[in-house]
Amino acid sequence: KAGVTQTPRYLIKTRGQQVTLSCSPISGHRSVSWYQQTPGQGLQFLFEYFSETQRNKGNFPGRFSGRQFSNSRSEMNVSTLELGDSALYLCASSLGGQGKLFFGSGTQLSVL
Amino acid sequence: QKEVEQNSGPLSVPEGAIASLNCTYSDRGSQSFFWYRQYSGKSPELIMSIYSNGDKEDGRFTAQLNKASQYVSLLIRDSQPSDSATYLCAVTRSNYQLIWGAGTKLIIKP
Repeated sequence: KAGVTQTPRYLIKTRGQQVTLSCSPISGHRSVSWYQQTPGQGLQFLFEYFSETQRNKGNFPGRFSGRQFSNSRSEMNVSTLELGDSALYLCASSLGGQGKLFFGSGTQLSVL
Repeated sequence: QKEVEQNSGPLSVPEGAIASLNCTYSDRGSQSFFWYRQYSGKSPELIMSIYSNGDKEDGRFTAQLNKASQYVSLLIRDSQPSDSATYLCAVTRSNYQLIWGAGTKLIIKP
């Protein structure tokens, strides 16, 4: 069974640009969660989608948005990038979103 | 006060000894508790889940839950250098949202 796939693996952007990250969950998993991880802040929850509906949302500004498609694949968008958005963005999938998460390898975003 | 608290470490343990990692949480309605391991430069991976009071053993790992005292711990017996990693505690709130601790860095010294 294929794992969680995140693309791209690395991304370099400049301030003010926008970026879209993609996540393909494990087959059959309907929940997709997104996290931001930085050395100083640890793992910060962005949002969770289940069956195309946002079920939970973390404390991030509206510049961070996401969506889930009918095949459970998910995208995350960050608009008007800031230097502080530089981080590892992790996607995780699960059957029902109850804590047993399977993480992708992440997208390392650098904002210059 | 953070919802899920862990000592950031590093916790240094000799090879072959028992490593004890602790986590406290604030939401008394929490029902599900998880331990994830994250190697440097890698993504977190689930190693243990526990839902009821008491101990749950899986190989060299034992998770312990005490809901009255609101803590969950992870014991690693016969610690190996390959156990050196950051261990993340995660707890589901009463609204089912998963809340994470900041992690404890564990170093196993040969």
